Amino acid sequence: GENVEQHPSTLSVQEGDSAVIKCTYSDSASNYFPWYKQELGKRPQLIIDIRSNVGEKKDQRIAVTLNKTAKHFSLHITETQPEDSAVYFCAASRDTGNQFYFGTGTSLTVIP
Amino acid sequence: EPEVTQTPSHQVTQMGQEVILRCVPISNHLYFYWYRQILGQKVEFLVSFYNNEISEKSEIFDDQFSVERPDGSNFTLKIRSTKLEDSAMYFCASSVLRNTIYFGEGSWLTVV
Repeated sequence: GENVEQHPSTLSVQEGDSAVIKCTYSDSASNYFPWYKQELGKRPQLIIDIRSNVGEKKDQRIAVTLNKTAKHFSLHITETQPEDSAVYFCAASRDTGNQFYFGTGTSLTVIP
Repeated sequence: EPEVTQTPSHQVTQMGQEVILRCVPISNHLYFYWYRQILGQKVEFLVSFYNNEISEKSEIFDDQFSVERPDGSNFTLKIRSTKLEDSAMYFCASSVLRNTIYFGEGSWLTVV
């Protein structure tokens, strides 16, 4: 089955700096890669996703890049704010399956 | 904005007891899921449900687990004889298509 690895496990940045979180996956058939933000005690919320037919997607301060050849994808947050502090999970799945494989999460702290 | 709703938000149960966790998926969604998250760990897939039957399940979803859609709106997860290691946050999720799943707020299960 699919194996998703995520790095780093913790990340601290100064407010206004950029944060980058990286994930790798093993199943070349995976073609959908969402990113979820989870605040303490709350549900994971979808913040951005990318499909394998594109290499990059941007939504305001958040962007995701995908390298299918290398089987890795990354989340980029620019101009970080304290409210960006949360745990971020990457995931991978394929259209032919129902199962999402999650990474182990990155705890991001934005220091004011 | 429509949301997945779950009840109860928190349940404490004795080891060996049966537990039913309830979910109301978003009304026009066709795929339903249960995931769990042990404290401090990643989100893990349990089961997916489509067209009134299980479409995929993980190794975690053994004989003590079952799911049901008893009517047109509810989707339930039953744990027949709870064990200490079943203590976790259980998230229900739903999606229109296989991708882009939306999570409920979760049901925190504590087995004592």
